Amino acid sequence: DAKTTQPNSMESNEEEPVHLPCNHSTISGTDYIHWYRQLPSQGPEYVIHGLTSNVNNRMASLAIAEDRKSSTLILHRATLRDAAVYYCILRDGLNNAGNMLTFGGGTRLMVKP
Amino acid sequence: DGGITQSPKYLFRKEGQNVTLSCEQNLNHDAMYWYRQDPGQGLRLIYYSQIVNDFQKGDIAEGYSVSREKKESFPLTVTSAQKNPTAFYLCASKWTETSTDTQYFGPGTRLTVL
Repeated sequence: DAKTTQPNSMESNEEEPVHLPCNHSTISGTDYIHWYRQLPSQGPEYVIHGLTSNVNNRMASLAIAEDRKSSTLILHRATLRDAAVYYCILRDGLNNAGNMLTFGGGTRLMVKP
Repeated sequence: DGGITQSPKYLFRKEGQNVTLSCEQNLNHDAMYWYRQDPGQGLRLIYYSQIVNDFQKGDIAEGYSVSREKKESFPLTVTSAQKNPTAFYLCASKWTETSTDTQYFGPGTRLTVL
């Protein structure tokens, strides 16, 4: 699977939007972009995923660049409960062997009240 | 409620002892996974299973063993051969009939070797 690059950490103020970037310059045409987050001392939870078009759900929005070499997870209004490590992961939709997800270091989001 | 459970939440072990971590899911998922997480690090895959009675090694399988006798259960044994077993262990599951690979994680077991 192709590799992703994320900043180690970011800070945000409560109730402000947060844009978490992810670079994936070697993405292939069949790679889906997944975002998970991990709250302290908990297992990761799925946030959102997309292939080419921007996606919205109740948790967040995913903006995918036209060339698909980068994407941005958008939290529209950060709360203290959004403080977590956010992982951007690529997964080849055609290769289901093992179906593993490869977690990098992620971005630690800190939210200030 | 459907979900994936892990027990115990905290586990202490003496050096040289084997210990088994439980993972159960009632989501009817085919595939199950074990990950290890060290402080400040991402997750690393230990073992995975896509079907009952079959499992594959992940990136760091040495010192670990698993079984998959039932669809809903995927226990992980940390053996005395694992040199540095203190870590946070996470179990996950998913359907295999999808290309989008959303995995559902349990709450984790924190293992400490004394």
